Amino acid sequence: DVKVTQSSRYLVKRTGEKVFLECVQDMDHENMFWYRQDPGLGLRLIYFSYDVKMKEKGDIPEGYSVSREKKERFSLILESASTNQTSMYLCASSLSGRESYGYTFGSGTRLTVV
Amino acid sequence: AQKITQTQPGMFVQEKEAVTLDCTYDTSDPSYGLFWYKQPSSGEMIFLIYQGSYDQQNATEGRYSLNFQKARKSANLVISASQLGDSAMYFCAMREGSTGNQFYFGTGTSLTVIP
Repeated sequence: DVKVTQSSRYLVKRTGEKVFLECVQDMDHENMFWYRQDPGLGLRLIYFSYDVKMKEKGDIPEGYSVSREKKERFSLILESASTNQTSMYLCASSLSGRESYGYTFGSGTRLTVV
Repeated sequence: AQKITQTQPGMFVQEKEAVTLDCTYDTSDPSYGLFWYKQPSSGEMIFLIYQGSYDQQNATEGRYSLNFQKARKSANLVISASQLGDSAMYFCAMREGSTGNQFYFGTGTSLTVIP
């Protein structure tokens, strides 16, 4: 069963901590994405990557960074967590090339920053 | 301009009835794909149905069908015979053929099925 796995379902961190959210996919997908989801705002793209060691800023990259050292793993880093980063974080992956290729999502990480 | 617009923040439907969730999109790309995802309270996004811009027929997957009106740029999701387990958030999304790999999502519609 192909999967996108996010390392934590629930996470509670303190303000100012450095936070790592891990995402691993086993489908050999080229593309990986990090979104945050907030009520009434839908899914907002933070960062994405189309290849190893490649990264592109999405719509709301401030306060975040990413790392993609291996094709299957895409990490989201909150350099210094703040309360306004309390949110649901979703990782997704997809194949390149055709508009018919959909996303496969992880199960999400609900992050609370206190 | 918004690429995907979902104008219904919340919807209610009686169990066993049909319901339509609205989605309009904006693109000048002749080649694109439209997707619907379901997100139950557990948080995971579940793929429901896909419609390609060149598809002549409306897509169907079990109780889900997509009412694709290309000239109006609408891609409404129809759920027939609603079940209590259909209560969830529903997201419409688009992927354009020429601009690569990013999806555009709507803000979602929260569907509640009433027994």
